[in-house]
Amino acid sequence: GDSVTQMEGPVTLSEEAFLTINCTYTATGYPSLFWYVQYPGEGLQLLLKATKADDKGSNKGFEATYRKETTSFHLEKGSVQVSDSAVYFCALNADDKIIFGKGTRLHILP
Amino acid sequence: GAVVSQHPSRVICKSGTSVKIECRSLDFQATTMFWYRQFPKQSLMLMATSNEGSKATYEQGVEKDKFLINHASLTLSTLTVTSAHPEDSSFYICSARAGARADTQYFGPGTRLTVL
Repeated sequence: GDSVTQMEGPVTLSEEAFLTINCTYTATGYPSLFWYVQYPGEGLQLLLKATKADDKGSNKGFEATYRKETTSFHLEKGSVQVSDSAVYFCALNADDKIIFGKGTRLHILP
Repeated sequence: GAVVSQHPSRVICKSGTSVKIECRSLDFQATTMFWYRQFPKQSLMLMATSNEGSKATYEQGVEKDKFLINHASLTLSTLTVTSAHPEDSSFYICSARAGARADTQYFGPGTRLTVL
C-alpha cells in the first residue's frame, strides 16, 4: 500500500545552518504531498504542500519540491532558527486520507 | 488558523475502566473528524473516520467495540476507550476537516492515555 519514509532523527543543527530532511514515498497514483510540523505542546500544522510533479511548496523559509522521478519530497531550509525546533512529518494524500511518515525531531542550538 | 482542542490532555486510568476523549473544532464546523493513534517513534496511524450524524468508518484492525466514536454535532467528536488495558496506552490525536480537501484538516494537540 501507499507509504511514506522519512529520515530518522533527532537532527541537531546550529542556528543558521542549512537543513535537509529527506522524504520518499510509495503510491499507486499521483498523491498530493505535505509537510506537517508539530511544535512542543501543540497540534500538527500544515507547513507546505505540493499537488503535482515539479510543484514546489514553500512557507516560512522552508521549501520542498515534488519529484516524481525519484518519488521524493525533501524538506529544505537555508538558515534555520531556534524557533524551528519541532517534529516534522512528511505525508501524502491517498483516497482522501492522510498517510504520515514517522516524523523527524529537529533540535536547533543557539 | 482554525483551532481544534482535545480534552483531557493527559489521563491515567486503571485497567478495565473506560475513558472518554473529546475533540472540538472551536471556530469552524467539521462534518468529518479523524482519530489517530501514535506510538513512540512511530507515525500517526489512522484509527477511524467520523462523519457527523452517521457511524464511524474504522480502519482495518481497529476494534470498533473497543474504540467507540460518536460525532453528534458539527463541532464535537468523542472517542471512548472501553475496558482499557495497558496496551491501549498511547497518544491519541484527532483532526477535523473544514472542507472537502485533505489538506484542510486541522489537528488537535493530542491526549496521552496511560492505563495502569
